[in-house]
Amino acid sequence: QSALTQPASVSGSPGQSITISCTGSSSDVGGYNYVSWYQKHPGKAPQLMIYGVTNRPSGVSSRFSGSKSGNTASLAISGLQTEDEADYYCASYTSSSGLLFGGGTKLTVL
Amino acid sequence: QVQLVQSGPEVMTPGASVKVSCKASGYILTTYALHWVRQAPGQRPEWMGRINAGTGDIKYSQKFKGRVTITRDTSASTDFMELSSLTSEDSAVYYCARGGWEQLDHWGQGTPVTVSS
Repeated sequence: QSALTQPASVSGSPGQSITISCTGSSSDVGGYNYVSWYQKHPGKAPQLMIYGVTNRPSGVSSRFSGSKSGNTASLAISGLQTEDEADYYCASYTSSSGLLFGGGTKLTVL
Repeated sequence: QVQLVQSGPEVMTPGASVKVSCKASGYILTTYALHWVRQAPGQRPEWMGRINAGTGDIKYSQKFKGRVTITRDTSASTDFMELSSLTSEDSAVYYCARGGWEQLDHWGQGTPVTVSS
């Protein structure tokens, strides 16, 4: 089973912007607009931040945005805040394997 | 408000089976699909399977096919996930989550399962 590739870590200072990439293939990220992003704090359940590539659930800050180009999806966070420090996971539908998750990216707000 | 409340932590011996429950409130269980996802320490989340809304059609991950069974008790608004032939590699936190393929919008609190002899 193939996997979605994310950078292991990213960091930024409060107020800055960062982007996290999620690279898959034409069988998952590139083939469907079913990419979602989840924020996970230690000991807590994941929280949906972006769905359908670009959509933000109600209650999620507009500082979070999603995009996709080819087989790579991206999550952008602007105006970094200390509470944004968490692990972030992308996920994509794949016809062969249901849902596929990325390896996760640890965001550190310096 | 929508809530998914899972059963408590489990400690199992190798070779046993574990059954985790997920009780839904704040919405009608059969109007949304429900997925099962697990995450072992330091590992990526793994999708295990889902039961569809309405039809109750079930799709399993190839990785767990034959070992995992998802069931639904509509009268109790509760879904269940049973995993058999446990090994230490099945030690993880197991989550239920509501939604379609493009989003898992509500998650249970997670059920830690430890497999140890």
